Amino acid sequence: NAGVTQTPKFQVLKTGQSMTLQCAQDMNHNSMYWYRQDPGMGLRLIYYSASEGTTDKGEVPNGYNVSRLNKREFSLRLESAAPSQTSVYFCASCPGDSRNTEAFFGQGTRLTVV
Amino acid sequence: QQQVKQSPQSLIVQKGGIPIINCAYENTAFDYFPWYQQFPGKGPALLIAIRPDVSEKKEGRFTISFNKSAKQFSLHIMDSQPGDSATYFCAASGSFGNEKLTFGTGTRLTIIP
Repeated sequence: NAGVTQTPKFQVLKTGQSMTLQCAQDMNHNSMYWYRQDPGMGLRLIYYSASEGTTDKGEVPNGYNVSRLNKREFSLRLESAAPSQTSVYFCASCPGDSRNTEAFFGQGTRLTVV
Repeated sequence: QQQVKQSPQSLIVQKGGIPIINCAYENTAFDYFPWYQQFPGKGPALLIAIRPDVSEKKEGRFTISFNKSAKQFSLHIMDSQPGDSATYFCAASGSFGNEKLTFGTGTRLTIIP
């Protein structure tokens, strides 16, 4: 049981380059999330998807786009990377039902934009 | 705006001591308050959580105290061990169907032998 799997684990981009961070969960969860973690700022929500086919902006969506490809997969795209997007990115999933609200996180993607 | 304020930013405690981490929230619609533990190079993992219908919850050496009127909650770690050294995040979320978590800024806890 892999849980939440993120790829890649590390990435270095040049300013202006684009890339897609991949996330997949095998727990049949309805809700999926993308967070970024920066020193002293905790985890901030970028985008989330409450169910397959829906996506909504979080606290810091500028410069990012997302796709909920199916129930398992939720990708995050940086169209034109900027140094301010240097961060550790975490994908998370949650059952999204009234009985269980625990969020499960992936191992993270450490992104550096130079 | 920061809806969940966490303190302290870092904490050093001797083995066996009781570290206490505090959080305060502003949004009265929050009704689920988890604590997450994160080790270096790993994603956060749920440690313990509480809902506002109780004032305290214990799981092993970890206790959440909750004060609804003050809009504050805290994590206590009894008999702390070096293996508890990690970053701890408090969080809050709304009612069922709106589970997106708002996190505090984190506390880096170091337990010295």
